[in-house]
Amino acid sequence: GDSVTQMEGPVTLSEEAFLTINCTYTATGYPSLFWYVQYPGEGLQLLLKATKADDKGSNKGFEATYRKETTSFHLEKGSVQVSDSAVYFCALSDSENAGNMLTFGGGTRLMVKP
Amino acid sequence: DTAVSQTPKYLVTQMGNDKSIKCEQNLGHDTMYWYKQDSKKFLKIMFSYNNKELIINETVPNRFSPKSPDKAHLNLHINSLELGDSAVYFCASSQVSGADYEQYFGPGTRLTVT
Repeated sequence: GDSVTQMEGPVTLSEEAFLTINCTYTATGYPSLFWYVQYPGEGLQLLLKATKADDKGSNKGFEATYRKETTSFHLEKGSVQVSDSAVYFCALSDSENAGNMLTFGGGTRLMVKP
Repeated sequence: DTAVSQTPKYLVTQMGNDKSIKCEQNLGHDTMYWYKQDSKKFLKIMFSYNNKELIINETVPNRFSPKSPDKAHLNLHINSLELGDSAVYFCASSQVSGADYEQYFGPGTRLTVT
């Protein structure tokens, strides 16, 4: 079955540091890939997405590139802010998966200190 | 207006009780979902539903049942509640068109079973 693996947290960084959160996946079909963010006490929000190989999703300074050869979708940001503190989820939706349900990774908590 | 809303936000109840969580979306989407997030933030799909079919994650106990009175609502009914049902439950919706879609999440319902 489909699965998503992302680095365990928490990740603690100082403001303006470079961020990388690793994400790899396995899928039976040809998936679309997503990063969702969950701020404290809130629901999930889509951060960025990529639907085919070599696509780069970007939003709010975050980027991730769909790498089919390494089955990866790592999240990066050049300079994090305190307001980026949240839990980040990598997810996929598999074209072979009926119902278009998302398969999530375990989440990575990011803590940014001033 | 809130795109995806859930009620109640908090629900505390005793083992063995039956409870419901309501979800409404005003986005005109054709597919709705229920997810469970455990205490370690791990997210798991429970159901995917549109006006044509219900897709159930096979790991979900049959004590859980989604009910959709109309396209904008997908309520979650839980019978004979158990301690392990304590979690945050998220409703989501999407307009499914191929694989390029976004799921919009509600704010979550924190269920505590005592």
